[in-house]
Amino acid sequence: QPQLQESGPGLVKPSETLSLTCTVSGGSISRSSYYWGWIRQPPGQGLEWIGTTYYDGSTYSKPSLKSRVTIFVDTSRNQLSLKLSSVTAADTAVYYCARHRLFDWLLLWGQGTLVTVSS
Amino acid sequence: DIQMTQSPSSLSAFVGDRVTITCRASQGISNYLAWYQQKPGKVPKLLIYDASTLQSGVPSRFSGSGSGTDFTLTITSLQPEDVATYYCQKYNSALFTFGPGTKVDIK
Repeated sequence: QPQLQESGPGLVKPSETLSLTCTVSGGSISRSSYYWGWIRQPPGQGLEWIGTTYYDGSTYSKPSLKSRVTIFVDTSRNQLSLKLSSVTAADTAVYYCARHRLFDWLLLWGQGTLVTVSS
Repeated sequence: DIQMTQSPSSLSAFVGDRVTITCRASQGISNYLAWYQQKPGKVPKLLIYDASTLQSGVPSRFSGSGSGTDFTLTITSLQPEDVATYYCQKYNSALFTFGPGTKVDIK
């Protein structure tokens, strides 16, 4: 069973770019039919889907975040990446990566990583 | 965008009670709906997919129903280990959306 592990800075300054990676172990990120997504959860709040990508580069993002979000796959490193620009305190959250098929549920999740936006 | 709502936002029930949580989509999503359970500090866990299919290993006291815009998650006999927040999620398109969650407690 593949495993996902998020990593990245735990503290980001306002107006800067948040950058996270999700390392996939035990399986290839370029395996056909699997999509790779990011979900976040602000402290004490609900889950918010950020976006999803496929290894061929096709990407889907939440419309309200689309202008600030970049999601891509690095097949050579078997990693998924998230970049969120111009962050504010409202972007403070636990960020999860997850695997799914198109038009499918989220079965495989990473453990999540907390990112705090603060000066 | 299709919006997802849940009711109630929280509930408290006795052990052994039947608990029902409702999820509503602002437009029809057929049966492209999943339910997740999230315990404090833990990763969300898939309970049900395709609105009514129980994920392997999930206790049979959990069940889901519905299609189109209205869905329900039922716990037939609430157990102490069911204390958690429950989320619905639609996946009828490449744009996913979660419901706001329902927090379940024991009286």
